[in-house]
Amino acid sequence: ETGVTQTPRHLVMGMTNKKSLKCEQHLGHNAMYWYKQSAKKPLELMFVYNFKEQTENNSVPSRFSPECPNSSHLFLHLHTLQPEDSALYLCASSQELFRDRDTEAFFGQGTRLTVV
Amino acid sequence: TQLLEQSPQFLSIQEGENLTVYCNSSSVFSSLQWYRQEPGEGPVLLVTVVTGGEVKKLKRLTFQFGDARKDSSLHITAAQPGDTGLYLCRIYNQGGKLIFGQGTELSVKP
Repeated sequence: ETGVTQTPRHLVMGMTNKKSLKCEQHLGHNAMYWYKQSAKKPLELMFVYNFKEQTENNSVPSRFSPECPNSSHLFLHLHTLQPEDSALYLCASSQELFRDRDTEAFFGQGTRLTVV
Repeated sequence: TQLLEQSPQFLSIQEGENLTVYCNSSSVFSSLQWYRQEPGEGPVLLVTVVTGGEVKKLKRLTFQFGDARKDSSLHITAAQPGDTGLYLCRIYNQGGKLIFGQGTELSVKP
């Protein structure tokens, strides 16, 4: 399997539930990212990991908790979410961190999250 | 805060028509990438432009980077239903931050 794979593709959860999103990349990349995509809004960068270490947290509420056990896997743990957290959550990877302006991001297909 | 605006937000055209979408920034940026996101998929890189005034062609797609490095356009000739999707621009600004536009949603009807 190649590319960036996200599971599940769809998730419906209650506000009191705990769930996790998974992302796996088979590209040998060193950097991984979580993005949130809401309707009619720009993609929002949530977290950045480089060589398993978190390098960026863009003021994301603590109900979102990322985990990066190795350079190939990235998780997003969800707890007591709000309906406004419903969105498409995209995982991406890149060979290196976006310090080079030409760096390409490879995205997964996303997890469509609905909080009820 | 650097603002990135894409226009139009929505565009619905017939197969065979030409179209242009725009990406405008409130200030100068270092480079710009265009991505296309098809329904149910993640964004896929189309092109990166780094030089002011640069023009790149990818089959029926022509990308232009403005001379002032504050804007870019994407022109599609003879659009096809397979061009349907969300077109996103992303810039790498002079502060080292990556910013996405909100996208242009294109629908090409047969």
